[in-house]
Amino acid sequence: IVVTQSPATLSVSPGDTATLSCRASQSVSNNLAWYQQKPGQAPRLLVYAASIRATGVPARFSASGSGTEFSLTISSLQSEDFAVYYCQQCETWPTFGQGTHLEIK
Amino acid sequence: EVQLLQSGGGLVQPGGSLRLSCVASEFNLNNYAMHWVRQAPGKGLEWVSGIGSVSGTFYADSVRGRFTISRDLSKNTLYLQMNSLRVEDTAVYYCARKGLYGPRVYFDHWGQGTQVTASS
Repeated sequence: IVVTQSPATLSVSPGDTATLSCRASQSVSNNLAWYQQKPGQAPRLLVYAASIRATGVPARFSASGSGTEFSLTISSLQSEDFAVYYCQQCETWPTFGQGTHLEIK
Repeated sequence: EVQLLQSGGGLVQPGGSLRLSCVASEFNLNNYAMHWVRQAPGKGLEWVSGIGSVSGTFYADSVRGRFTISRDLSKNTLYLQMNSLRVEDTAVYYCARKGLYGPRVYFDHWGQGTQVTASS
């Protein structure tokens, strides 16, 4: 299953809202996760099962979708939120999107 | 606090071998499936291999027959033996724990990563 993220780069001002998209080449039901990765660090699990926030993830992160279309919304962007975000399907063996780089505008 | 501490990366010539290690703290490997995920320079994430909490080993097509995943429960350590390394295997390799979210593979804890470079 091929996972495609858009846009590749998203420029947003602190305090604003960012919406990231993820599309699967075939239905993955709700078997999708979102990860955040900062430079030089390992990825961090944000969301699993398409919409459930992982332990310790702030409420400003919300996610939705099912089937082939998914989104991650980050509201009231903080400085620490600027990073690369990956989605990952686990309907079959895991595959990841190519990432969305969220940068400061 | 759950930790995964990795070691064993380095520079090797194409065709060579390396073994990566990942020591788990504050949880027992026999209760969790574990995986390896890699990231080529400037690229995204690629699942490499996994081992079940009870049994079973799994590999991506790109590494099957060359890489072997294993674990030593007495040392609470995960391994990845990499043979016949290719230039395209160059990447940062992460060990990752499969979370207890049912049968689906979500990675809830990651090691710090270790660089593997296959180059002449």
